[in-house]
Amino acid sequence: AQSVTQLGSHVSVSEGALVLLRCNYSSSVPPYLFWYVQYPNQGLQLLLKYTTGATLVKGINGFEAEFKKSETSFHLTKPSAHMSDAAEYFCAVSRGGNNRLAFGKGNQVVVIP
Amino acid sequence: GAVVSQHPSRVICKSGTSVKIECRSLDFQATTMFWYRQFPKQSLMLMATSNEGSKATYEQGVEKDKFLINHASLTLSTLTVTSAHPEDSSFYICSARVLLAQETQYFGPGTRLLVL
Repeated sequence: AQSVTQLGSHVSVSEGALVLLRCNYSSSVPPYLFWYVQYPNQGLQLLLKYTTGATLVKGINGFEAEFKKSETSFHLTKPSAHMSDAAEYFCAVSRGGNNRLAFGKGNQVVVIP
Repeated sequence: GAVVSQHPSRVICKSGTSVKIECRSLDFQATTMFWYRQFPKQSLMLMATSNEGSKATYEQGVEKDKFLINHASLTLSTLTVTSAHPEDSSFYICSARVLLAQETQYFGPGTRLLVL
């Protein structure tokens, strides 16, 4: 079975500073990895995903993530935080016949002006 | 592309009544849809996997008689919360899997259910 660990439920970052959200996964087979963003009272929006190929994945809104198999990690970064980045971010992993997603607990990002 | 809608976005009902939530894929066909439940400030918990034309597969601990799922077409799945109780109050989110990109799920905007 797959599982995801996201540490630090709340992350505060200054506007213009680096955003770094950590995600570690466990999977018995090569995983598919995802980052989703959720704004208040809304569903989830796909930021980026890794399935195969290049391990550095670029997504929307300037975010990117790197799949590191040796570290079983898929950390999300953005060089310069913007106020509009304030939201909840979820890392997820899937694999297996039905490609069910397992989510981490999420990181609530607060951007400080 | 890959837009998923849910209706209603918000519903308030009395205890004991049933509530139906619709999930539609607007611009693609979805052979598989998923239903999640999210409690405040928590992650999404998968409730069931819905395949078009067949019975839904429920996760352990989810009562199939309470949460009825119907996936009658390639663009529509419904979740009916039967005999709702206050503890069923939650944020319900559906997702749909694109036929030609099986690894990716696209999520609806969610339905806020409040049972009084």
